[in-house]
Amino acid sequence: EAQVTQNPRYLITVTGKKLTVTCSQNMNHEYMSWYRQDPGLGLRQIYYSMNVEVTDKGDVPEGYKVSRKEKRNFPLILESPSPNQTSLYFCASSSFDRNTEAFFGQGTRLTVV
Amino acid sequence: GENVEQHPSTLSVQEGDSAVIKCTYSDSASNYFPWYKQELGKRPQLIIDIRSNVGEKKDQRIAVTLNKTAKHFSLHITETQPEDSAVYFCAASRNTGFQKLVFGTGTRLLVSP
Repeated sequence: EAQVTQNPRYLITVTGKKLTVTCSQNMNHEYMSWYRQDPGLGLRQIYYSMNVEVTDKGDVPEGYKVSRKEKRNFPLILESPSPNQTSLYFCASSSFDRNTEAFFGQGTRLTVV
Repeated sequence: GENVEQHPSTLSVQEGDSAVIKCTYSDSASNYFPWYKQELGKRPQLIIDIRSNVGEKKDQRIAVTLNKTAKHFSLHITETQPEDSAVYFCAASRNTGFQKLVFGTGTRLLVSP
């Protein structure tokens, strides 16, 4: 089954404690992306990757890091989480074929206290 | 960069009525316009998309129209049903070889029986 898998689904952490949210896709997609979803703000892109070892900032990259060492994995790293990073996070992937569907993971609800 | 505005933010209709959600975009080079549906607690999923060489596309009860001159596109749902209740996001993307989607802020549709 084609899917994008994120872990964990829910996470409560304290300010300043480093954390990683994992994302893995099994569709051999080149393009992967992280979004955060906040009420009234829609889905805002954090970082994206066009292929292995190729990453770039999205619209709201501050406070986040990513890596793309393997094609299937695109982890999101928060080195020093702060309460304003409390949000619902989605990973998505799509093929390099022009303008094709973006497949989303099931989401990670992060709370930073 | 691209900016996508979406209206209304909430929409309540009676079962069987039609619903229309409108989006405008700023980048005249955008040429791919997908719509995603997000049910409560679920991931966004593609329901319909349109490319700039087409003015209208229909799939059963849903249709999307595009006016490139005015830079706006709309989602039309006819004969609404309670299961259509969800948040709907429009998005726009350039044909750059990869899909940098810019999303609208979402419309919460409530269909009452």
